Amino acid sequence: DGGITQSPKYLFRKEGQNVTLSCEQNLNHDAMYWYRQDPGQGLRLIYYSQIVNDFQKGDIAEGYSVSREKKESFPLTVTSAQKNPTAFYLCASIDRSGTEAFFGQGTRLTVV
Amino acid sequence: GQSLEQPSEVTAVEGAIVQINCTYQTSGFYGLSWYQQHDGGAPTFLSYNALDGLEETGRFSSFLSRSDSYGYLLLQELQMKDSASYFCAVAPLGGGNKLTFGTGTQLKVEL
Repeated sequence: DGGITQSPKYLFRKEGQNVTLSCEQNLNHDAMYWYRQDPGQGLRLIYYSQIVNDFQKGDIAEGYSVSREKKESFPLTVTSAQKNPTAFYLCASIDRSGTEAFFGQGTRLTVV
Repeated sequence: GQSLEQPSEVTAVEGAIVQINCTYQTSGFYGLSWYQQHDGGAPTFLSYNALDGLEETGRFSSFLSRSDSYGYLLLQELQMKDSASYFCAVAPLGGGNKLTFGTGTQLKVEL
């Protein structure tokens, strides 16, 4: 079964800690994305990557970092510089046609 | 940058037809997509318009008019399970595959 896997589903972080959210895909897609969603809000783009070893900032990149060492993997690190990290984080990938994006099931991050 | 505006909320009764609009400001894009998201879940793809006109997929249809910077999603024979949030999205020309989503519309289907 092809798809995108995000882990963990729920994550709790203490203030001042960095945490890393995992995103793996076996769809052979080049482009991958990270979005943040706050309650009742839309999807805001954090970072995206079109190819291995390359990535670009989205609209709200401050306080986040990513890497793309393998085509299948696009982990997101929420750093201590992100002052309000509590949110629902979604990872997605898209094929070269750009027609349809596939999403993981999301990680719900809560700062405690 | 890109801006895609949608009504925040739409309410309709079961069995009715509802239209969710998406107006955008962008210099150009490959196509307009629509996604559905149930509470707590991940968005799922519904429809895509590369060209102006209407695309029909079962109970869902989507329309695009580039000259009017406007698109819409049409849901027919509404069912309770259609209660969800709906997002339009564009991948802009010149932005690689940057995929930007609209503000989202929460659809409530009532009996």
